[in-house]
Amino acid sequence: EVQLVESGGGLVQPGRSLRLSCAASGFSFDDYAMHWVRQAPGKGLEWVSGISWNSDSPGYADSVKGRFTISRDNAKNSLYLQMNSLRHEDMALYFCAKGSRLSWDYGMDVWGQGTTVTVSS
Amino acid sequence: SYELTQPPSVSVSPGQTARITCSGDAVSRKYVYWYQQKSVQAPVLVIYEDSKRPSGIPERISGSTSGTVATLTLSGAQVEDEADYYCYSTDTSGDPRGVFGGGTKLTVL
Repeated sequence: EVQLVESGGGLVQPGRSLRLSCAASGFSFDDYAMHWVRQAPGKGLEWVSGISWNSDSPGYADSVKGRFTISRDNAKNSLYLQMNSLRHEDMALYFCAKGSRLSWDYGMDVWGQGTTVTVSS
Repeated sequence: SYELTQPPSVSVSPGQTARITCSGDAVSRKYVYWYQQKSVQAPVLVIYEDSKRPSGIPERISGSTSGTVATLTLSGAQVEDEADYYCYSTDTSGDPRGVFGGGTKLTVL
């Protein structure tokens, strides 16, 4: 069974940093792309970032480009999201999602339960 | 603003057919995926690569595309189908990026 477990969320002040992690199991991690998707309270889904199986040419939403960095460690079956210069508008539930193919420019097929990021002074 | 446009809400009676559209240039260039989300739970994939159904998804749920419009069809809608539905694709008009539609609230009553 595919499992994705996010961690690292919490309360952070504006301008500070936070690193999210996603532990994957139940599939061959290095055969699939991975994504981060977020959902602000009462809002729809927003794609944040995607990374291919080999970490080549990751993609970012315009809203996070230059502030967030996605990475993966295939040896540890783990996905990460380094979030710098956090803003109030980054406050959301952050989902880790498994890509359906090697490259991130395809959709996701399995999602984790999410980790909450609260940005407040 | 969303580059994939969905109607905010669709309402049908049980047993009727519900159709949810998703329009945008990305639909004609890359595959479309559809996700179902109940409350603030993890979304569930219901259609991938325009029209394919994952295992465990009932046959009454189907997807199609025509030009720049993708359609999710729920034939014989049931009360348990009530949820938010999101389309997703990849926008390749500039730097590639993923993009979701704004979501459609399906009400079955």
